[in-house]
Amino acid sequence: GQQLNQSPQSMFIQEGEDVSMNCTSSSIFNTWLWYKQDPGEGPVLLIALYKAGELTSNGRLTAQFGITRKDSFLNISASIPSDVGIYFCAGQLSGNEKLTFGTGTRLTIIP
Amino acid sequence: NAGVTQTPKFQVLKTGQSMTLQCAQDMNHEYMSWYRQDPGMGLRLIHYSVGAGITDQGEVPNGYNVSRSTTEDFPLRLLSAAPSQTSVYFCASSPGTGYQPQHFGDGTRLSIL
Repeated sequence: GQQLNQSPQSMFIQEGEDVSMNCTSSSIFNTWLWYKQDPGEGPVLLIALYKAGELTSNGRLTAQFGITRKDSFLNISASIPSDVGIYFCAGQLSGNEKLTFGTGTRLTIIP
Repeated sequence: NAGVTQTPKFQVLKTGQSMTLQCAQDMNHEYMSWYRQDPGMGLRLIHYSVGAGITDQGEVPNGYNVSRSTTEDFPLRLLSAAPSQTSVYFCASSPGTGYQPQHFGDGTRLSIL
């Protein structure tokens, strides 16, 4: 099956720093999604990308759909304590609702 | 509006026992799915349904059964639990039209002893 490689696996940053993470695929997707998961809860959608090259923002979050359709990037600016959690990328094929998930990036903010 | 509701939130089973994980959504979504989440492996699709009466296998279907008798409910059954099925299980739903993102429940934490 398809594989999504997400990096880095974990990040330890100080409050106020910017964060960058990415996701790469062995095959093409037509939709890229970014989710955040807080402890004890299900993933919550942050940003959805529907077009190659698309750059979309949601507050301090910005995500991009790679031109090759095989990658996506998520940036968080000026991190705050509530940004702590696990961030997942997910890809979706045309005419197919199934999601393929990355392995997650765990974000920790150091006091 | 409750969204996607999963019950129970926690469960401990003995090897060989059976149980059903419940999932209900009140958004009239056509598409529903079950994932399991294991450390370091992200979420993997177990089974999914594109509408009432229709189900199909995902990436890791072995050991699990599903049915979809109504639009609202999509239960996941473990017929004979095994320790390898210890995991966190998430149910998700989406309208099923175009590229609509999926909405997730809060999960069921299942331990098989």
